[in-house]
Amino acid sequence: GIQVEQSPPDLILQEGANSTLRCNFSDSVNNLQWFHQNPWGQLINLFYIPSGTKQNGRLSATTVATERYSLLYISSSQTTDSGVYFCAVESNYQLIWGAGTKLIIKP
Amino acid sequence: NAGVTQTPKFQVLKTGQSMTLQCAQDMNHEYMSWYRQDPGMGLRLIHYSVGAGITDQGEVPNGYNVSRSTTEDFPLRLLSAAPSQTSVYFCASSRGTSGFEQYFGPGTRLTVT
Repeated sequence: GIQVEQSPPDLILQEGANSTLRCNFSDSVNNLQWFHQNPWGQLINLFYIPSGTKQNGRLSATTVATERYSLLYISSSQTTDSGVYFCAVESNYQLIWGAGTKLIIKP
Repeated sequence: NAGVTQTPKFQVLKTGQSMTLQCAQDMNHEYMSWYRQDPGMGLRLIHYSVGAGITDQGEVPNGYNVSRSTTEDFPLRLLSAAPSQTSVYFCASSRGTSGFEQYFGPGTRLTVT
């Protein structure tokens, strides 16, 4: 089945720093989503981005479907950005999830 | 719209007990699914439904049953709870079966002792 790998597994940054999170997938996909799971466990949709580039405030994402990867950019990090960021891709009616990147933003 | 709602938020069961986790959506979405999330991991699919009356198994279906009698509701039943089913359960829905954004409920934290 399709494999989803995220890197880095952990990231610790000072407030105000920028970061890039990567998601690699092993096959072509119809759907790719980025989620933020906050410290209370809530899953928040960030981007639905099977291809191309999208921006939402300090966050942006780019998916290069032909090369099977997606990047999530976080600029000017805030402590509220802390949590786990997941990439999930669609295969056979289900979302296949990466293991996540745990992001800690220190004040 | 309330989006995707789940009840209860927390539940503790004893081994062997049965219970139903409720999931409802008010977006008229055709596709609904149940995932479980174990500590330090991404989500894994338990069961999904592509429309009322149609369900299918996901990656980890053993020990769980589902049914879909209406578009809005997709309950998950644990037949005989086991400690291995201690997890956080998420319900999701989307407008279609493929290539559509999925929306997630707030989750149910289940502990089986």
